[in-house]
Amino acid sequence: EIQMTQSPSTLSASVGDRVTITCRASQSISSWLAWYQQKSGEAPKLLMYKASTLQSGVPSRFSGSGSGTEFTLTISSLQPDDFATYYCQQYDASPTFGQGTRLEVK
Amino acid sequence: EVQLVESGGGLVQPGGSLRLSCVTSGFTFDDYGMHWVRQVPGKAPEWVAGITWNSDNIGYGDSVKGRFTISRDNAKNSLYLQMNSLRSEDTAFYFCTRDSYYASGSYLHYFDFWGQGIQVTVSS
Repeated sequence: EIQMTQSPSTLSASVGDRVTITCRASQSISSWLAWYQQKSGEAPKLLMYKASTLQSGVPSRFSGSGSGTEFTLTISSLQPDDFATYYCQQYDASPTFGQGTRLEVK
Repeated sequence: EVQLVESGGGLVQPGGSLRLSCVTSGFTFDDYGMHWVRQVPGKAPEWVAGITWNSDNIGYGDSVKGRFTISRDNAKNSLYLQMNSLRSEDTAFYFCTRDSYYASGSYLHYFDFWGQGIQVTVSS
């Protein structure tokens, strides 16, 4: 099983900040990585796939990069609606998720 | 509008069985693979099982292999999860999700639509 490790576990930031979340895979997954946003009491929402392709309808302030074992999700200018938990997920093998990064108000 | 609606959850004793159903609408069901993903509140999601559009390729997470069975009925636009020999660690919200790829022979993908989830509690 491919292990996914996210950092940090919790990130405190303010509206307007630029924030970056990192996701590391235990082995190379090429670019087979997706990012999700989850708000309390809701299902995860797909943000990005193939490491850097924005899902339709997702604001362009979200961007993704990386390949192999290291990936990042960047929000260029935080908006109030962005405070949530973010998960990465690999799909190079049987799907596995990172443990999550909780983005909270500073 | 794509909709996935789960049912069949509830409280069951350890060792018991439960069958989850997911009725879908808003897309051509037999064009897409489908999955079950579960999540304990406050924890990361865990992929449970996946099935291709034609049921030719099926996969399971290690923690449920041999106990859970995923199936689908394309005529009814429905996905199922038969859960046997349930354990306390199976307690979670279970989400029905759509595979992101059209008519693929693999289930190794990401999930573009999710249901609202249904609670399964395994406890005596």
